[in-house]
Amino acid sequence: QSALTQPASVSGSPGQSITISCTGTSSDVGSYNLVSWYQQHPGKAPKLMIYEGSKRPSGVSNRFSGSKSGNTASLTISGLQAEDEADYYCCSYAGSSTPSVFGGGTKLTVL
Amino acid sequence: QVQLVQSGAEVKKPGSSVKVSCKASGGTFSSYTISWVRQAPGQGLEWMGRIIPILGIANYAQKFQGRVTITADKSTSTAYMELSSLRSEDTAVYYCAREDLLGAFDIWGQGTMVTVSS
Repeated sequence: QSALTQPASVSGSPGQSITISCTGTSSDVGSYNLVSWYQQHPGKAPKLMIYEGSKRPSGVSNRFSGSKSGNTASLTISGLQAEDEADYYCCSYAGSSTPSVFGGGTKLTVL
Repeated sequence: QVQLVQSGAEVKKPGSSVKVSCKASGGTFSSYTISWVRQAPGQGLEWMGRIIPILGIANYAQKFQGRVTITADKSTSTAYMELSSLRSEDTAVYYCAREDLLGAFDIWGQGTMVTVSS
């Protein structure tokens, strides 16, 4: 199982919007809308930000949104804030008997 | 509110094994799926495997097949991850996480640092 492909880094200024892509294959991202996204600050455990492709857990800002087109899932953060600076990871799920797979991670810098 | 509390940091010799625990409080442990995810220093997240305690079924990433064993003790609401034949590349923070019905990791343990060094 190969890791999903994410850009190594993205950046944006406060108030702007950025999008992080997550590219897989027709066997994982393309087959199911079961991509989740995680935010990780240095030295902390990851935090779930988006699940089932586009749903937000309770307590997560509506500035975070998820979508999918073909074999690529995307995380969009609008109205960038300083505290959004973190690493972001996507993960694809294809059933309880198949391996989950993470993307390589994207470092978001808020300029 | 469900919490996952992991065991403390470990230092191991190459070739040895390590067993990390993950104790759940709150909720119904048997109905969860628990996954293990590791993160080497400065690297990304890597899924290792999962267990469904109510079924006692575990499955693993191909990379770790034969070296990792994930178990669960329903009586103590604790999941375990044992990794054998340790090498320096296994130095990482190991996380347990609750996996919901559609694969999202909604609750995470605090992480356990495992250092493999001679």
